[in-house]
Amino acid sequence: AQTVTQSQPEMSVQEAETVTLSCTYDTSESDYYLFWYKQPPSRQMILVIRQEAYKQQNATENRFSVNFQKAAKSFSLKISDSQLGDAAMYFCAYRSPGANSKLTFGKGITLSVRP
Amino acid sequence: IAGITQAPTSQILAAGRRMTLRCTQDMRHNAMYWYRQDLGLGLRLIHYSNTAGTTGKGEVPDGYSVSRANTDDFPLTLASAVPSQTSVYFCASSDGNRAGLDEQFFGPGTRLTVL
Repeated sequence: AQTVTQSQPEMSVQEAETVTLSCTYDTSESDYYLFWYKQPPSRQMILVIRQEAYKQQNATENRFSVNFQKAAKSFSLKISDSQLGDAAMYFCAYRSPGANSKLTFGKGITLSVRP
Repeated sequence: IAGITQAPTSQILAAGRRMTLRCTQDMRHNAMYWYRQDLGLGLRLIHYSNTAGTTGKGEVPDGYSVSRANTDDFPLTLASAVPSQTSVYFCASSDGNRAGLDEQFFGPGTRLTVL
C-alpha cells in the first residue's frame, strides 16, 4: 500500500517570502498522480496543484510550484511571495493510475504567515 | 451550481444515538467518498462508492455504513455513535471512470461531536 509522509507538522513564513513544504511517498508503481490540497480556516478543501509522475516538468500554478523528484519519491510544494491568505493546512496526496483508484493523504502541515 | 453540499454543518450527539450525515452532489459524478479528518491523522477514507448501487470499505469503515441509491446522494450513517467518532467528516466526489487525474471535489464538511 502507498504511504504519504509529511514530517513537518507546522511551518511559518514571513509575508512576501518563499516557503517550501515537504512531502515524501512510498510506492512501487511507476505511474501515479500527486496532489497538494489547501484547507484554510473555512475548512474547505481546495486543490492547489497536481503532478503526473510520467511528466518530468514540474507543475506550476501562479505562485505555487512543485519540486518533483521521482527517484527520491519527493514532492515538495513551493509557495512564492507568501500572502496572508496562504495561511492554511496543506495536505499532500497520492493517487494510483487507473479508474476508481483512491487518494491517500498525508497528515498535513499547518502553515502560518507572519505579517 | 452548488457542487457538493453536506448537512448538517455541525452536530452534537449523545453516545448511542443514531445519526445520518447527508451528502448531495450535482455534478453527475460517478464516484463519491466519505472521509474523516482528525488532527495529526490527516484525512482517512471511511467508505466509497464507484457508481450508484455499489459501495466499498475504506481505511476506517467500522461503525459506519453508507448507501448509494442514486447518483447524487451518498449518506453516511453512524448506527450507534461513540465518542471516538468525534471528527470532521468530508464528502467528496469525482468522475471516477477516468484513469488519471480524476480530481476529487470536496464538500464543506460536517463537524460531529459525540458526548
